[in-house]
Amino acid sequence: SFVLTQPPSVSAAPGKTATISCGGNNFEDHSVHWYQQKPGQAPVLVIYNDNDRPSGIPERFSASTSGNTATLIISRVEAGDEADYYCQVWDFSNDHYVFGPGTQVTVL
Amino acid sequence: QVQLQESGPGLVKPSETLSLTCTVSGGSIGNYYWNWIRQPPGKGLEWLGYVYYSGSTNYNPSLKRRVTISVDSSKNQFSLILTSVTATDSAVYFCARRDYYDSNFDVWGRGTTVTVFS
Repeated sequence: SFVLTQPPSVSAAPGKTATISCGGNNFEDHSVHWYQQKPGQAPVLVIYNDNDRPSGIPERFSASTSGNTATLIISRVEAGDEADYYCQVWDFSNDHYVFGPGTQVTVL
Repeated sequence: QVQLQESGPGLVKPSETLSLTCTVSGGSIGNYYWNWIRQPPGKGLEWLGYVYYSGSTNYNPSLKRRVTISVDSSKNQFSLILTSVTATDSAVYFCARRDYYDSNFDVWGRGTTVTVFS
């Protein structure tokens, strides 16, 4: 089954760039999605299909995939970006959905 | 826009059955996959399973045979049943929608906290 890995935490100063990695087994065949979750709230989809943004998500959020690594990039980080971020894929081999363990982003 | 709302008991005793309902408002239940996802306190997200609007289902094998998800299109609702609960089933339970074409969860409920407590 598909397994995703993420660093437990990432920090960035306001105005700088936060980069969150997501490791997996060959993302060439899998679309990667990213969610933002603030304390006490439901997750919110911020990136889907590797690098598409739902309406209402700022352009500061972007992503890329290459080989075994997917990356979420938050440019010009703001205090409001402090949250947990999860990557997710659909394992089509068994029609299951897999989340990464999550990365806590701290704005310094 | 489409909104999801979870409902059900917040306390369940060990070995008993957890039962939750998700009500879909502002849109049809048709042509989507309806999912349950949970999050234990301080931990990450775990996909439990889905029901397609037609009634077909798929479940996380980690739950073995304890989970059942069903849909009631006439009420625009879908439900989760988890049997033989233990303390490890204590979590915030979210219902979420998956589009037919994309494999992400684009609409989520606010979540409901379930505590297994004797």
